[in-house]
Amino acid sequence: DAGVIQSPRHEVTEMGQEVTLRCKPISGHDYLFWYRQTMMRGLELLIYFNNNVPIDDSGMPEDRFSAKMPNASFSTLKIQPSEPRDSAVYFCASSFSWSNQPQHFGDGTRLSIL
Amino acid sequence: DAKTTQPTSMDCAEGRAANLPCNHSTISGNEYVYWYRQIHSQGPQYIIHGLKNNETNEMASLIITEDRKSSTLILPHATLRDTAVYYCIVRGNFGNEKLTFGTGTRLTIIP
Repeated sequence: DAGVIQSPRHEVTEMGQEVTLRCKPISGHDYLFWYRQTMMRGLELLIYFNNNVPIDDSGMPEDRFSAKMPNASFSTLKIQPSEPRDSAVYFCASSFSWSNQPQHFGDGTRLSIL
Repeated sequence: DAKTTQPTSMDCAEGRAANLPCNHSTISGNEYVYWYRQIHSQGPQYIIHGLKNNETNEMASLIITEDRKSSTLILPHATLRDTAVYYCIVRGNFGNEKLTFGTGTRLTIIP
């Protein structure tokens, strides 16, 4: 079975540009999570969705970040405008919604803002 | 979610059992213990989870003490590919979906 698929794997862009990260969850999973990993802060949850509805976006750093889930098989995380401090690895994860199901992670997008 | 404490790093000889400890003294009755690992440049990989009984799967065994204040992840025959950062996470029951990652244990398998 295909796991969580993220694209692109690497993104290098200049500050001020719009960045869009994409995620395809595991088929049938109804939770989707976006995490960010940096050396300074480790892995931190940004936002998560249940049945395509955002449930908790308290981890989103600021208004420059937005996430959408237009359908059960696709989600985007957008940064506009991007800044060098947004450089990080961004992970998407998905899981079933019944009790205590593990989250399964993609291999991430390594984002570098110059 | 309860806080966890893990050693910063550990070494283990290839072919031996790797035993990774985790303290979670403030765990509450409905919280599970989860283990993930992260191999360099990859996303976190789910290993195993449990509530109070010991658990075993094809990857590892999880031993939880009777008072549930600590647990040990056991990789029975460590290989070089098991070199990774291992995270012990305490997570609430349904309705509390967040995984809060700490700094984990960096396990190095020595040839």
